[in-house]
Amino acid sequence: EVQLLESGGRLVQPGGSLRLSCAASGFTFSTNAMSWVRQAPGKGLEWVSGISGSGDNTFYAESVKGRFTISRDTFKNTLYLQMNSLRAEDTAVFYCAKRPNWSDYWYFDLWGRGTLVTVSS
Amino acid sequence: EIVMTQSPATLSVSPGERATLSCRASHSISSNLAWYQQKPGQAPSLLIYGASTRATGFPARFSGSGSGTEFTLTISSLQSEDFAVYYCQQYNNWPLTFGGGTKVEI
Repeated sequence: EVQLLESGGRLVQPGGSLRLSCAASGFTFSTNAMSWVRQAPGKGLEWVSGISGSGDNTFYAESVKGRFTISRDTFKNTLYLQMNSLRAEDTAVFYCAKRPNWSDYWYFDLWGRGTLVTVSS
Repeated sequence: EIVMTQSPATLSVSPGERATLSCRASHSISSNLAWYQQKPGQAPSLLIYGASTRATGFPARFSGSGSGTEFTLTISSLQSEDFAVYYCQQYNNWPLTFGGGTKVEI
């Protein structure tokens, strides 16, 4: 079955760090660009970061640049998001999402169920 | 950054009626626009890409149109399973940006 499964979300204090993981299965992970998209409680979608299939190219929203780092492990078929200096406004459900392998464009044809990150003291 | 503006925020319709959702980009994005459907407690699902190409699994009652800065998602005859929040997303420029969403409710 083609799927993405996020993990790692939890309650963390402001200024703390967290690493999210996204396990991919059912498709050739190394050929697909990936992204993280978040959704604050009751709010809309916000793109956070993206990474090419090779891992050579990474992209970030201004709101997280310098604090978050996206990476991938092809052997483990896993996408990561290292989040440092967390703020209350980072509280959200974080989704990983796959770019279609037939397209060079950054829209997303497969999403995980998400993992909740809560930043609070 | 390209700002995506969706209207209306909420659309109240009855089953069987036609629904028209709007998405406007602050700058031209050609046809580099996707639409997603999100039901409560679920992840978004890709509905439309390239402004008008329907994704696998969605019926023909869903259609997308537009280019440049003005885009429309039309649901020709609403079914009960179509009540959800719909988001547009531009992928013409970095950073990728989403609209604020339109909630389609009864």
